[in-house]
Amino acid sequence: SYELTQPLSVSVALGQTASITCGGNQIGSKNVHWYQQKPGQAPVLVIYSDYNRPSGIPERFSGSNSGNTATLTISGAQAGDEADYYCQVWDSSTRRVFGGGTKLTVL
Amino acid sequence: EVQLLESGGGLVQPGGSLRLSCAASGFTFSAYAMSWVRQTPGKGLEWVTGISDSGGKTYYADSVKGRFTISRDNSKNSLYLQMNSLRVEDTALYYCAKDGSSSALDSWGQGTLVTVSS
Repeated sequence: SYELTQPLSVSVALGQTASITCGGNQIGSKNVHWYQQKPGQAPVLVIYSDYNRPSGIPERFSGSNSGNTATLTISGAQAGDEADYYCQVWDSSTRRVFGGGTKLTVL
Repeated sequence: EVQLLESGGGLVQPGGSLRLSCAASGFTFSAYAMSWVRQTPGKGLEWVTGISDSGGKTYYADSVKGRFTISRDNSKNSLYLQMNSLRVEDTALYYCAKDGSSSALDSWGQGTLVTVSS
């Protein structure tokens, strides 16, 4: 079965750039999606198909995907960006797969 | 505005059954695939099952295959999840989600809590 690996936690200073990685075998050949989940709330799609932002998502959220690693980048992190972030792909055998999630702390 | 409203959660004993519903509005329900995703309290997201726009194709995670059944009624803009032979490890918040581009889930409900306990 296909697996996605994310760091448990990432910290970033207010206003700086945070990078959250998502590792998987040849993930660069798949479409990667990223979700933000704040405490007590449902997940929200922030990046789809590697680097596309849904309507209403700030430009400071960006994504990339190559080789065995996809990356969500948050430029100029704000206190309101503190949340759990999940990557997700579609795999032909496992179907829809989520990473374990990364807790982003804004210091 | 897309709205997804789940219902049907509750407390059930191991081995029991429960049927979840998701009422959709704000979009053409019959044009989109739909999914159920669950989250154990304090843990990560787990995709449970998905269904095509017409209902003709269904997909299941190995953890629920043979026990859960997803269905939809496009005339009622509703999605369902029939859960049988429930186990303690099925305890979770169950989200209904709309499929968007390239398998991304672009809209989510607020979830309904299922607790399996004796």
